[in-house]
Parts: sequence; C-alpha cells; structure tokens
Amino acid sequence: KAGVTQTPRYLIKTRGQQVTLSCSPISGHRSVSWYQQTPGQGLQFLFEYFSETQRNKGNFPGRFSGRQFSNSRSEMNVSTLELGDSALYLCASSMPGAGAYNEQFFGPGTRLTVL
Amino acid sequence: AQRVTQPEKLLSVFKGAPVELKCNYSYSGSPELFWYVQYSRQRLQLLLRHISRESIKGFTADLNKGETSFHLKKPFAQEEDSAMYYCALFSGGYNKLIFGAGTRLAVHP
Repeated sequence: KAGVTQTPRYLIKTRGQQVTLSCSPISGHRSVSWYQQTPGQGLQFLFEYFSETQRNKGNFPGRFSGRQFSNSRSEMNVSTLELGDSALYLCASSMPGAGAYNEQFFGPGTRLTVL
Repeated sequence: AQRVTQPEKLLSVFKGAPVELKCNYSYSGSPELFWYVQYSRQRLQLLLRHISRESIKGFTADLNKGETSFHLKKPFAQEEDSAMYYCALFSGGYNKLIFGAGTRLAVHP
C-alpha cells in the first residue's frame, strides 16, 4: 500500500498570506490527524478528522483550520501567516477501530517557511 | 495537565552498550503510551506501545505507574539504532497524541 502523501513538500510564504496544505491518507484509512513540529514546541496536535467531521482539536488559534473530503483526503489552511507558523506540518492517517486511538501512520511532512 | 517529558536531548553511546531513553508522563487516569522513532530521512513511525508489551528491534519499554515513567531500553545498542526517539501519550481525545521533545540517540562504532 502507498503511504501517506503530503503536498507540497516545501513551501515559502510571506507574512499575512494564507496557505493550504494537502494530505492523502493510506487507502482505506478514514481518520486524518495533523501535527505541527517546531524546534521550540516540538510536535503539537492540531486537529483530527473522521468522515468529514472534526472530532478533536488542539490548542491553536482560529487561523488554523482544516477539512476532510468524502474520499478521506484532508487539507489544512493557515490564514494571515505569522513568522512563528514556520514549521514542519505532519499528517497522519489511521484506520477506524473500536477504541478512540488507532495506530497512526505519518506522512513525510510539508516544510512551511514564512518570511 | 497532560505532559510528556524526555529529559535528554541527546544520548550518545558506543555500539554494544546498553541504552535507556527516559520518558516521564503526567496524566490523570490510565495512560496509554507509545514510543515513536524517526530514522534519518524517514518518516515518523511507531516503535512500540505499552499495551502490546512487545519487543521491537530489541527495544522494550515498561510502564511504571508509580514513577509515571515509560523508559525505552535495549541491552545492546546497534549503529542502526541511531535516530530520533519520541515518547507519546494518548490524551483521551480521538487520535490525539501528546509528544515529548524527543531524544536523539547516537550509537558510535
């Protein structure tokens, strides 16, 4: 099976712009989670989607949003970019299971640089 | 507050030496803990979870609720074990993991 794919892999934006990142989960996976990774804060949970519904959200401002499509692909959007948004954004997908946690498979990430 | 602490940023050992990567957690309730690994130029991947009680690539981790720890151990380090290791806690919300800051393990020949 192909792994989780994320596009684009690298992105450079300027302050005030907005950006959209895309994530395609492993075939058959219906849950997609997003994480932000920075040297200062480490890996932080942004949000999780399942069947086009956001089920869980981390502690990020409203400038960070996401959505999931009927084919389970997900996008995240960051509006009014700030320098501090420069980070590696990771997407992870998982199968739905009986519990609230299922093994997550991570993509390679999108490296966002805000100038 | 839910928190995962990995006190060492870097752990440097020689091949064949024992390894212990420390992880402490803060969680009210019954924790579910994981170790993730990221090898150079590879994706973050699950190494092991405490529920399964498996040994993966010679690594084991025991949950100690009294000490709120989940240290990762391997008796004899190999050069291919060099990687970034992250301890993670399932927070109770759907698929939400709380990660520690990570420890870089460097195994020297």
